[in-house]
Amino acid sequence: QVQLVQSGAEVKKPGASVKVSCKASGYTFTRYDLIWVRQATGQGLEWMGWMNPNSGNTGYAQRFQGRVTMTRNTSLNTAYMELTGLRYEDTAVFYCARAVQAVYAMDVWGQGTTVTVSS
Amino acid sequence: DIQMTQSPSSLSAFVGDRVTITCRASQYIGTSLNWYQQKPGKAPNLLIYDSSLLQTGVPSRFSGSGSGTDFTLTISSLQPEDFATYYCQQSYNMLTFGPGTRVD
Repeated sequence: QVQLVQSGAEVKKPGASVKVSCKASGYTFTRYDLIWVRQATGQGLEWMGWMNPNSGNTGYAQRFQGRVTMTRNTSLNTAYMELTGLRYEDTAVFYCARAVQAVYAMDVWGQGTTVTVSS
Repeated sequence: DIQMTQSPSSLSAFVGDRVTITCRASQYIGTSLNWYQQKPGKAPNLLIYDSSLLQTGVPSRFSGSGSGTDFTLTISSLQPEDFATYYCQQSYNMLTFGPGTRVD
């Protein structure tokens, strides 16, 4: 079945970087954009950016510009999101999601990856 | 950036109630509005896309309407499994989520 499987939980120190992976299966990886969303504990959903797995083109939300990089490995059907300069407020669950073109609705989501920033 | 607001931020309801949640965009977004349901500890689930289209597999008690700047999600008869947080999301210009509406 169509699914996105993310890498496991991470604990990082302030200032460090984290790289979360998102492996797609059950569909053609390059046909759908991938979105990354952050959700701090008890908070709402925050869009971080998008990536076109076919071209590698990306677009990032302004508040994450300069700190986030989204990449992919098409031979592994896997997308990656790297966030640098981690701050305590980056402690959150990070989701990848598949975006249906035209309407840009996210119809398939990964299970989420918890990143804890702690000294 | 397009800002999204939702009202109410939370509501209390009973099984069988008709529930309406409103979402407003800070500028025109046509019908580029999607709705998600999220339960604690789980990823969001797409309910409605393009303002009024029901995602495959979503019960017909969910419906959406609106265009321009004002949108509505309606649950015609609340079921026990519908107690959750609901988010709207615009896709007209980049992406923005609303702050969420908790239904308990």
